[in-house]
Amino acid sequence: TQLLEQSPQFLSIQEGENLTVYCNSSSVFSSLQWYRQEPGEGPVLLVTVVTGGEVKKLKRLTFQFGDARKDSSLHITAAQPGDTGLYLCAGGSPRYNNNDMRFGAGTRLTVKP
Amino acid sequence: EADIYQTPRYLVIGTGKKITLECSQTMGHDKMYWYQQDPGMELHLIHYSYGVNSTEKGDLSSESTVSRIRTEHFPLTLESARPSHTSQYLCASGGAGTETQYFGPGTRLLVL
Repeated sequence: TQLLEQSPQFLSIQEGENLTVYCNSSSVFSSLQWYRQEPGEGPVLLVTVVTGGEVKKLKRLTFQFGDARKDSSLHITAAQPGDTGLYLCAGGSPRYNNNDMRFGAGTRLTVKP
Repeated sequence: EADIYQTPRYLVIGTGKKITLECSQTMGHDKMYWYQQDPGMELHLIHYSYGVNSTEKGDLSSESTVSRIRTEHFPLTLESARPSHTSQYLCASGGAGTETQYFGPGTRLLVL
């Protein structure tokens, strides 16, 4: 059972479209991270959110942490082919016995020119 | 941009060989991690360390071993590689007081 559920699993859109991907859990997190990973590379950190209801913007990307700190969303405005990649969310909690974070399975985004 | 390095980036090796995957970070992070990721699949934690001389196994059982003799260095060793070990291995590090992890570029391992 995946602690963090990401949806959709796959998303293919045209350049210029807007999109939202989701990261949901029944657990409360002290922080949540979003990463983007390209094939054959390591995940690159996009943002960390720590406060319930927090919204952070990174150019065309908007990240929101749910009020209850159990879920998060990533919205991309006017997607570009360079946004193509695997988007991973990861939740952090000092409660975990053997790791600081748990990763979702990711949303694989393809933006067609 | 995180300063964490992995070598080699790609490795093709025969069954039964001993291999060591290197991971180094220059950020002075106490916490370091090894993940295994098959193509298109999620990350699985196989080892982690919270400081020098501290190593623990992760969620996914692995035949590999790790050591942490220096803060900046966290190598992973496979004593006898098998085709089932073929995968991408990702190293990450994180500072004390934060849950955020920074990843290296990964090592893609192919065991023939």
